[in-house]
Amino acid sequence: NAGVTQTPKFRILKIGQSMTLQCTQDMNHNYMYWYRQDPGMGLKLIYYSVGAGITDKGEVPNGYNVSRSTTEDFPLRLELAAPSQTSVYFCASSYAGQGYSNQPQHFGDGTRLSIL
Amino acid sequence: EDQVTQSPEALRLQEGESSSLNCSYTVSGLRGLFWYRQDPGKGPEFLFTLYSAGEEKEKERLKATLTKKESFLHITAPKPEDSATYLCAVRRTETSGSRLTFGEGTQLTVNP
Repeated sequence: NAGVTQTPKFRILKIGQSMTLQCTQDMNHNYMYWYRQDPGMGLKLIYYSVGAGITDKGEVPNGYNVSRSTTEDFPLRLELAAPSQTSVYFCASSYAGQGYSNQPQHFGDGTRLSIL
Repeated sequence: EDQVTQSPEALRLQEGESSSLNCSYTVSGLRGLFWYRQDPGKGPEFLFTLYSAGEEKEKERLKATLTKKESFLHITAPKPEDSATYLCAVRRTETSGSRLTFGEGTQLTVNP
């Protein structure tokens, strides 16, 4: 199994540009998450989804948008990129359901984004 | 608001020198405490879940323990390949989406 796959691995953007970070998982997980990780700051939740068509804000949603049209895919959209969005972005997924109440989240290897 | 504090921020050990990492937490109704390992340029890799005070879990040279206020990750006779950042996270009982709150991590370096 590939697990959680993120593309691209690296990207440099200019201020004001837009882009979409892609995330796909092949584990049939219903829950998916987007985090950002800044040096020494831990992981901060941006958005999450509990199933196709259902998304909600995390701790730091401003400047980002998400959609979830399928179980497998959970893209993160940056509109009007700003230097404060320079970070490493991680996508994660987990399964929640009857008899699986506390499963761990599984992470991709991240997208390193610089905005200049 | 849930809070997770990890200490120390960084730890440097000699190969074979055992030590412990600390994760202190404040959460209303703990549903689970999770330990992850993160290698440079990679995503966090799941290690353990602990559910209740007194519980212990082991994997090779690592043992995680839990009390009502903190968790410890004990590393026995570490090897250079144990060098990584170790992250702790908590899940609250009444949390939409099974969300986690992460600590800032402890960066462990094991010298040969």
